[in-house]
Amino acid sequence: GAGVSQTPSNKVTEKGKYVELRCDPISGHTALYWYRQSLGQGPEFLIYFQGTGAADDSGLPNDRFFAVRPEGSVSTLKIQRTERGDSAVYLCASSSDRLTQYFGPGTRLTVL
Amino acid sequence: ELKVEQNPLFLSMQEGKNYTIYCNYSTTSDRLYWYRQDPGKSLESLFVLLSNGAVKQEGRLMASLDTKARLSTLHITAAVHDLSATYFCAVEPGAGSYQLTFGKGTKLSVIP
Repeated sequence: GAGVSQTPSNKVTEKGKYVELRCDPISGHTALYWYRQSLGQGPEFLIYFQGTGAADDSGLPNDRFFAVRPEGSVSTLKIQRTERGDSAVYLCASSSDRLTQYFGPGTRLTVL
Repeated sequence: ELKVEQNPLFLSMQEGKNYTIYCNYSTTSDRLYWYRQDPGKSLESLFVLLSNGAVKQEGRLMASLDTKARLSTLHITAAVHDLSATYFCAVEPGAGSYQLTFGKGTKLSVIP
């Protein structure tokens, strides 16, 4: 079956611009996670959704970052006033049973 | 704050040899995960370890968990080139928390 999909696969933007990154989880998965992976590092947790609500947003680095999941399926990570330090691969994962998180291919964000 | 340390960070080994990757974590946890990441790709779940003494094996890889020592190992038996990848361990901080804290990863190169 279809796995987690993320769009776009690559995003290049200029410092100060606004970006949206989209995640389509595996059908029926109620839990959805966003992580950020910098070069040579492990993924860092950003936010976790259970259904439509953000159950844990403690990993969001500051108020420029925001995520939504209005219908409990697709999620959008929104970054305002992007900075060069935001450049990374943004990974989305979904889960049905809390035991295994299935990761998408990621969106590579480059802020010039 | 939960810290997850892996060692070694880089490992070059010859085909047919055995080796072990270590994952230490700093606070109590009953859930530990191992993931594989190929270059430019997303993360693939390998093992989920849920209790002290848990051991799981898949092909040439075997993972174990010692919660008292806060240590997990990933043992590679008779390595083959196809195992070349980066391996991450990840820990859930505790009951009710769904975020994963990842180590920096071990980049494994298996040389013919």
